[in-house]
Amino acid sequence: NAGVTQTPKFQVLKTGQSMTLQCAQDMNHEYMSWYRQDPGMGLRLIHYSVGAGITDQGEVPNGYNVSRSTTEDFPLRLLSAAPSQTSVYFCASNSLTGSSNYGYTFGSGTRLTVV
Amino acid sequence: AQKITQTQPGMFVQEKEAVTLDCTYDTSDQSYGLFWYKQPSSGEMIFLIYQGSYDEQNATEGRYSLNFQKARKSANLVISASQLGDSAMYFCAMRRGPSGGYQKVTFGTGTKLQVIP
Repeated sequence: NAGVTQTPKFQVLKTGQSMTLQCAQDMNHEYMSWYRQDPGMGLRLIHYSVGAGITDQGEVPNGYNVSRSTTEDFPLRLLSAAPSQTSVYFCASNSLTGSSNYGYTFGSGTRLTVV
Repeated sequence: AQKITQTQPGMFVQEKEAVTLDCTYDTSDQSYGLFWYKQPSSGEMIFLIYQGSYDEQNATEGRYSLNFQKARKSANLVISASQLGDSAMYFCAMRRGPSGGYQKVTFGTGTKLQVIP
Protein backbone atom coordinates (compact mmCIF):
# COMPACT_ATOMS: atom_id res chain seq x y z
CA ASN A 1 0.00 0.00 0.00
CA ALA A 2 1.16 3.51 -0.77
CA GLY A 3 2.15 5.61 2.17
CA VAL A 4 4.92 6.56 4.55
CA THR A 5 7.05 3.79 6.02
CA GLN A 6 9.03 4.36 9.20
CA THR A 7 11.54 1.99 10.71
CA PRO A 8 12.15 0.88 13.37
CA LYS A 9 8.90 0.98 15.34
CA PHE A 10 10.67 0.73 18.70
CA GLN A 11 14.24 1.47 19.75
CA VAL A 12 16.16 1.68 23.01
CA LEU A 13 19.45 3.56 22.97
CA LYS A 14 22.10 4.25 25.55
CA THR A 15 23.11 7.84 26.19
CA GLY A 16 25.73 8.89 23.68
CA GLN A 17 24.86 6.33 21.03
CA SER A 18 23.92 7.42 17.53
CA MET A 19 21.27 6.02 15.25
CA THR A 20 19.21 6.76 12.17
CA LEU A 21 15.44 6.67 11.96
CA GLN A 22 14.36 5.74 8.47
CA CYS A 23 11.46 7.27 6.54
CA ALA A 24 10.40 6.41 3.01
CA GLN A 25 7.37 7.43 0.96
CA ASP A 26 6.19 6.16 -2.40
CA MET A 27 3.73 8.91 -3.29
CA ASN A 28 6.27 11.18 -5.01
CA HIS A 29 5.63 13.86 -2.38
CA GLU A 30 7.99 16.78 -2.46
CA TYR A 31 7.51 17.75 1.18
CA MET A 32 8.73 15.55 4.02
CA SER A 33 9.14 16.35 7.67
CA TRP A 34 10.01 14.92 11.06
CA TYR A 35 8.04 15.63 14.22
CA ARG A 36 8.49 14.53 17.78
CA GLN A 37 5.53 13.97 20.07
CA ASP A 38 5.87 14.42 23.82
CA PRO A 39 3.07 14.23 26.40
CA GLY A 40 1.24 17.54 26.76
CA MET A 41 3.24 19.21 23.99
CA GLY A 42 1.59 18.08 20.80
CA LEU A 43 3.81 17.55 17.77
CA ARG A 44 6.87 19.70 17.29
CA LEU A 45 8.68 20.08 14.00
CA ILE A 46 12.31 18.94 14.00
CA HIS A 47 13.42 19.24 10.36
CA TYR A 48 11.71 19.40 7.01
CA SER A 49 12.50 19.18 3.32
CA VAL A 50 10.76 20.62 0.26
CA GLY A 51 12.65 18.46 -2.21
CA ALA A 52 15.77 16.41 -2.83
CA GLY A 53 18.84 18.29 -1.68
CA ILE A 54 16.84 20.89 0.30
CA THR A 55 16.41 20.71 4.06
CA ASP A 56 15.75 23.21 6.80
CA GLN A 57 15.34 23.38 10.54
CA GLY A 58 12.06 23.34 12.37
CA GLU A 59 11.21 24.26 15.93
CA VAL A 60 13.45 21.76 17.80
CA PRO A 61 16.41 20.81 15.54
CA ASN A 62 19.20 20.53 18.11
CA GLY A 63 20.71 17.07 18.35
CA TYR A 64 19.26 15.92 15.04
CA ASN A 65 20.55 15.83 11.50
CA VAL A 66 18.78 15.15 8.20
CA SER A 67 19.56 14.77 4.53
CA ARG A 68 17.40 14.30 1.42
CA SER A 69 19.31 12.64 -1.37
CA THR A 70 16.20 11.25 -3.07
CA THR A 71 12.54 12.23 -3.23
CA GLU A 72 11.55 9.02 -1.47
CA ASP A 73 13.82 8.98 1.59
CA PHE A 74 14.27 11.35 4.50
CA PRO A 75 16.31 9.80 7.33
CA LEU A 76 16.66 11.43 10.74
CA ARG A 77 19.97 11.00 12.52
CA LEU A 78 20.50 11.29 16.25
CA LEU A 79 24.12 12.27 16.63
CA SER A 80 24.63 11.54 20.36
CA ALA A 81 21.44 10.36 22.03
CA ALA A 82 20.32 12.05 25.24
CA PRO A 83 17.47 11.10 27.63
CA SER A 84 15.70 14.32 26.54
CA GLN A 85 15.31 12.74 23.11
CA THR A 86 13.07 10.02 24.49
CA SER A 87 9.92 10.56 22.45
CA VAL A 88 7.70 9.28 19.68
CA TYR A 89 8.93 10.36 16.28
CA PHE A 90 6.68 10.80 13.26
CA CYS A 91 7.62 11.27 9.65
CA ALA A 92 5.07 13.00 7.43
CA SER A 93 4.82 13.88 3.76
CA ASN A 94 2.64 15.95 1.46
CA SER A 95 2.52 17.11 -2.11
CA LEU A 96 3.46 20.72 -2.74
CA THR A 97 2.15 20.89 -6.28
CA GLY A 98 -1.27 19.41 -5.86
CA SER A 99 -4.02 20.35 -3.50
CA SER A 100 -2.88 20.40 0.09
CA ASN A 101 -6.42 20.00 1.31
CA TYR A 102 -5.79 16.46 2.36
CA GLY A 103 -3.28 17.05 5.09
CA TYR A 104 -0.14 15.15 5.77
CA THR A 105 0.32 11.44 5.36
CA PHE A 106 2.01 10.21 8.52
CA GLY A 107 4.14 7.20 9.15
CA SER A 108 3.23 4.88 12.01
CA GLY A 109 5.80 6.40 14.34
CA THR A 110 8.98 5.32 16.11
CA ARG A 111 8.98 5.06 19.89
CA LEU A 112 12.50 5.89 21.06
CA THR A 113 13.77 5.48 24.60
CA VAL A 114 17.18 6.78 25.62
CA VAL A 115 18.51 5.37 28.89
CA ALA B 1 4.64 33.59 15.39
CA GLN B 2 1.71 31.31 14.80
CA LYS B 3 0.13 29.43 17.66
CA ILE B 4 -2.59 26.85 18.11
CA THR B 5 -4.45 26.58 21.41
CA GLN B 6 -6.57 23.64 22.51
CA THR B 7 -7.89 24.42 25.96
CA GLN B 8 -9.63 21.11 26.66
CA PRO B 9 -7.10 18.46 27.75
CA GLY B 10 -9.86 15.86 28.05
CA MET B 11 -13.55 15.51 27.31
CA PHE B 12 -16.29 12.93 27.75
CA VAL B 13 -19.30 12.47 25.49
CA GLN B 14 -22.18 10.04 25.56
CA GLU B 15 -22.43 7.68 22.62
CA LYS B 16 -24.66 9.05 19.84
CA GLU B 17 -24.38 12.60 21.14
CA ALA B 18 -22.58 15.44 19.33
CA VAL B 19 -19.38 16.95 20.74
CA THR B 20 -17.37 20.10 19.96
CA LEU B 21 -13.61 20.22 20.38
CA ASP B 22 -12.25 23.73 20.67
CA CYS B 23 -9.34 25.20 18.74
CA THR B 24 -8.19 28.79 18.55
CA TYR B 25 -5.30 30.04 16.49
CA ASP B 26 -3.15 33.08 16.19
CA THR B 27 -1.57 34.21 12.95
CA SER B 28 -0.94 37.42 11.07
CA ASP B 29 -1.07 35.63 7.71
CA GLN B 30 -4.02 36.26 5.40
CA SER B 31 -3.73 32.87 3.76
CA TYR B 32 -3.53 29.77 5.93
CA GLY B 33 -5.05 26.35 6.38
CA LEU B 34 -6.53 24.59 9.38
CA PHE B 35 -6.54 20.84 9.94
CA TRP B 36 -7.80 18.31 12.42
CA TYR B 37 -6.10 14.98 13.03
CA LYS B 38 -7.18 11.97 15.07
CA GLN B 39 -4.74 9.80 17.00
CA PRO B 40 -6.28 6.58 18.35
CA SER B 41 -4.60 4.61 21.10
CA SER B 42 -2.76 2.62 18.44
CA GLY B 43 -0.72 5.77 17.78
CA GLU B 44 -1.17 6.55 14.09
CA MET B 45 -2.12 10.05 12.96
CA ILE B 46 -5.22 10.22 10.79
CA PHE B 47 -6.18 13.31 8.78
CA LEU B 48 -9.85 14.24 9.34
CA ILE B 49 -10.74 17.59 7.82
CA TYR B 50 -9.32 20.76 6.29
CA GLN B 51 -10.45 24.41 6.10
CA GLY B 52 -8.75 27.08 4.03
CA SER B 53 -8.74 30.65 5.28
CA TYR B 54 -10.55 31.84 2.16
CA ASP B 55 -13.15 29.08 2.16
CA GLU B 56 -16.54 30.69 2.72
CA GLN B 57 -18.33 27.56 3.82
CA ASN B 58 -17.49 25.37 6.78
CA ALA B 59 -15.79 22.12 5.79
CA THR B 60 -17.63 18.85 6.34
CA GLU B 61 -16.46 15.25 6.03
CA GLY B 62 -19.08 12.72 7.00
CA ARG B 63 -19.74 13.08 10.73
CA TYR B 64 -17.00 15.70 11.07
CA SER B 65 -17.53 19.39 10.50
CA LEU B 66 -15.27 22.32 11.14
CA ASN B 67 -16.93 25.38 12.66
CA PHE B 68 -14.73 28.14 11.23
CA GLN B 69 -15.12 31.60 12.74
CA LYS B 70 -12.46 33.70 11.13
CA ALA B 71 -13.02 36.90 13.10
CA ARG B 72 -12.74 34.98 16.36
CA LYS B 73 -9.84 32.91 15.03
CA SER B 74 -11.47 29.69 16.01
CA ALA B 75 -11.71 26.37 14.17
CA ASN B 76 -13.72 24.01 16.32
CA LEU B 77 -14.26 20.39 15.33
CA VAL B 78 -17.79 19.08 15.66
CA ILE B 79 -18.34 15.32 15.73
CA SER B 80 -21.97 14.34 15.31
CA ALA B 81 -23.47 11.08 16.58
CA SER B 82 -20.38 10.01 18.54
CA GLN B 83 -19.27 6.41 18.29
CA LEU B 84 -17.09 4.36 20.62
CA GLY B 85 -14.44 4.35 17.90
CA ASP B 86 -14.19 8.13 18.16
CA SER B 87 -12.37 7.78 21.48
CA ALA B 88 -8.95 9.18 20.66
CA MET B 89 -6.65 12.15 20.91
CA TYR B 90 -7.55 14.99 18.53
CA PHE B 91 -5.07 17.57 17.30
CA CYS B 92 -5.80 20.90 15.66
CA ALA B 93 -3.10 22.18 13.29
CA MET B 94 -2.45 25.21 11.15
CA ARG B 95 -0.49 25.57 7.92
CA ARG B 96 1.10 28.92 7.42
CA GLY B 97 0.70 30.44 3.98
CA PRO B 98 -1.22 29.38 0.88
CA SER B 99 -1.57 25.82 -0.29
CA GLY B 100 1.30 24.61 -2.41
CA GLY B 101 4.84 25.73 -1.93
CA TYR B 102 6.55 25.70 1.43
CA GLN B 103 4.43 24.42 4.26
CA LYS B 104 5.10 24.86 7.93
CA VAL B 105 2.47 23.31 10.14
CA THR B 106 2.01 23.98 13.84
CA PHE B 107 0.08 21.55 16.04
CA GLY B 108 -1.89 22.15 19.20
CA THR B 109 -1.39 20.08 22.35
CA GLY B 110 -4.43 17.93 21.70
CA THR B 111 -7.74 16.99 23.34
CA LYS B 112 -8.40 13.47 24.58
CA LEU B 113 -11.96 12.47 23.81
CA GLN B 114 -13.60 9.54 25.53
CA VAL B 115 -16.97 8.26 24.31
CA ILE B 116 -19.09 6.65 27.00
CA PRO B 117 -21.46 3.80 26.07
